[in-house]
Amino acid sequence: GESVGLHLPTLSVQEGDNSIINCAYSNSASDYFIWYKQESGKGPQFIIDIRSNMDKRQGQRVTVLLNKTVKHLSLQIAATQPGDSAVYFCAETRRGGADGLTFGKGTHLIIQP
Amino acid sequence: DADVTQTPRNRITKTGKRIMLECSQTKGHDRMYWYRQDPGLGLRLIYYSFDVKDINKGEISDGYSVSRQAQAKFSLSLESAIPNQTALYFCATSAGQVNSPLHFGNGTRLTVT
Repeated sequence: GESVGLHLPTLSVQEGDNSIINCAYSNSASDYFIWYKQESGKGPQFIIDIRSNMDKRQGQRVTVLLNKTVKHLSLQIAATQPGDSAVYFCAETRRGGADGLTFGKGTHLIIQP
Repeated sequence: DADVTQTPRNRITKTGKRIMLECSQTKGHDRMYWYRQDPGLGLRLIYYSFDVKDINKGEISDGYSVSRQAQAKFSLSLESAIPNQTALYFCATSAGQVNSPLHFGNGTRLTVT
């Protein structure tokens, strides 16, 4: 079956550096993508989303890039802070989200002091 | 997200017992979802509901049932719990508009012994 996956299960970065978390998806019909952050003991928290008619979207310290040609999604976090330590999930959906989201397995971002 | 409340936060039960997990929301959203999270498998959709009279099966509905008692309440039941249903369970809501992100509660950790 088609699924959303991540290239690396764990990413370790120095505090203050930029972080890039990658995600590959296989369903070319996916039209909406979301990045979530999950801290220990909490539910996933919405970070940023992007529609398939866009290739870049920026938020506060975060940027999502979408490359539909190679079915690749990335989350860039600028000037990484200790509070950014968490597991990050990408999720995709079709038909604007009518049937819920399909999640990748997650990347654990570790911030080194 | 305090707008989506799950009870209980933790539950230990024995094989064969019936158990209900509750979810309530104050976001006024029409759509509600139940997901299950297992280590290394990400989040998988169990059931979802678009309104009070609407119930839809997700990817892994076997062994589960749901009830949408009101717009704000969506409960998940395990009729006869088994150990491989030990997992973290999340309720989520969505505004129902095209390309609306899901908003998650903080989860219920269920252990079946």
